[in-house]
Amino acid sequence: DAGITQSPRYKITETGRQVTLMCHQTWSHSYMFWYRQDLGHGLRLIYYSAAADITDKGEVPDGYVVSRSKTENFPLTLESATRSQTSVYFCASRPDWEETQYFGPGTRLLVL
Amino acid sequence: SQQGEEDPQALSIQEGENATMNCSYKTSINNLQWYRQNSGRGLVHLILIRSNEREKHSGRLRVTLDTSKKSSSLLITASRAADTASYFCATVRMDSNYQLIWGAGTKLIIKP
Repeated sequence: DAGITQSPRYKITETGRQVTLMCHQTWSHSYMFWYRQDLGHGLRLIYYSAAADITDKGEVPDGYVVSRSKTENFPLTLESATRSQTSVYFCASRPDWEETQYFGPGTRLLVL
Repeated sequence: SQQGEEDPQALSIQEGENATMNCSYKTSINNLQWYRQNSGRGLVHLILIRSNEREKHSGRLRVTLDTSKKSSSLLITASRAADTASYFCATVRMDSNYQLIWGAGTKLIIKP
């Protein structure tokens, strides 16, 4: 199906483990974004990418790593998960010519 | 850091009534966007208003922007049970053409 998908939708992991959250979009949008959503904070930008092989830090990048070798994929890796990274993670994308962002369904991550 | 602050944090009204939510922001903006988030889902774009616009309509939605007061309001007329959701404002700063800065949202409950 066309659109933006995230996997897994739910993940439970333990402190110190590496976790990768996947994001895939079929629109060939140039821009992709990773946000985390915590109660009382709205969405906070973790990393974004303007094109394949171009990534940059957002507001809360510490503890996260991203890559973008292909336009359609933008994986987010937690190198060594911490309890404070328990959150809902949203991936979004947008084309060059539009300012609206299109969101995936989210991944709920619990770090024990 | 949050750019937008929504008010109220929560709003409960009867079906058929109008719902008004407000958003204040801190810095000069390029545009302001409103998004809706149904429980457990990703965000969906509702409407975008540019800094040189004062009012915009889309169906039952009416958005106003007052750049002198750095504030915006979202009015949903003739509310329906399906409007129950959280509503977020997001701003695009003048010095950035891709980063959205989000408020913490208003949780709207429509009582049947």
